[in-house]
Amino acid sequence: TQLLEQSPQFLSIQEGENLTVYCNSSSVFSSLQWYRQEPGEGPVLLVTVVTGGEVKKLKRLTFQFGDARKDSSLHITAAQPGDTGLYLCAGANAGNNRKLIWGLGTSLAVNP
Amino acid sequence: KAGVTQTPRYLIKTRGQQVTLSCSPISGHRSVSWYQQTPGQGLQFLFEYFSETQRNKGNFPGRFSGRQFSNSRSEMNVSTLELGDSALYLCASRPRTGGPYNEQFFGPGTRLTVL
Repeated sequence: TQLLEQSPQFLSIQEGENLTVYCNSSSVFSSLQWYRQEPGEGPVLLVTVVTGGEVKKLKRLTFQFGDARKDSSLHITAAQPGDTGLYLCAGANAGNNRKLIWGLGTSLAVNP
Repeated sequence: KAGVTQTPRYLIKTRGQQVTLSCSPISGHRSVSWYQQTPGQGLQFLFEYFSETQRNKGNFPGRFSGRQFSNSRSEMNVSTLELGDSALYLCASRPRTGGPYNEQFFGPGTRLTVL
């Protein structure tokens, strides 16, 4: 069974701090997506990473896909209260892209 | 372009009852997937529909069923509700089934509470 483990499970920081959250697996994925979910809403796609070693930047957010395509990280610089939410990663299996494997998420709280 | 809409947003039912949830995908999107989200299990895939046909199914009992209409709108039904069915039910759409990355566009969800 493929699993995606996200760490840490919970994170509470002050505005302006930097943070990194991780998404790890023993399986290889053809691509990996990151979503952010705010309370009372559905997840919103932030980015898709496809190539091993790929780095993508979205304003203060930096996403990296591991060289072996088994893991990924999300780094947030100078966190703001608006970054608060549940960050989810989802991997697409090279053999069956219609079914995503989801992590349990990292719940981030950024305090003003 | 309007996003994915789900109705109702909140629902309270008692054990043994049945419930029907509705989802309208983004205009032009033909694939609809349903997920159950709970704090302990995260997002669990229920099923995916494309062109009124179920294309993929997760590991849920037969009490969970769905269908898709010719206008791509979808419904899911849960019969004989159990306490453990309390969850956020999310609908996600995308332009078509298959494709390289399977990126999902989610609705706000229906919060189901079973008493």
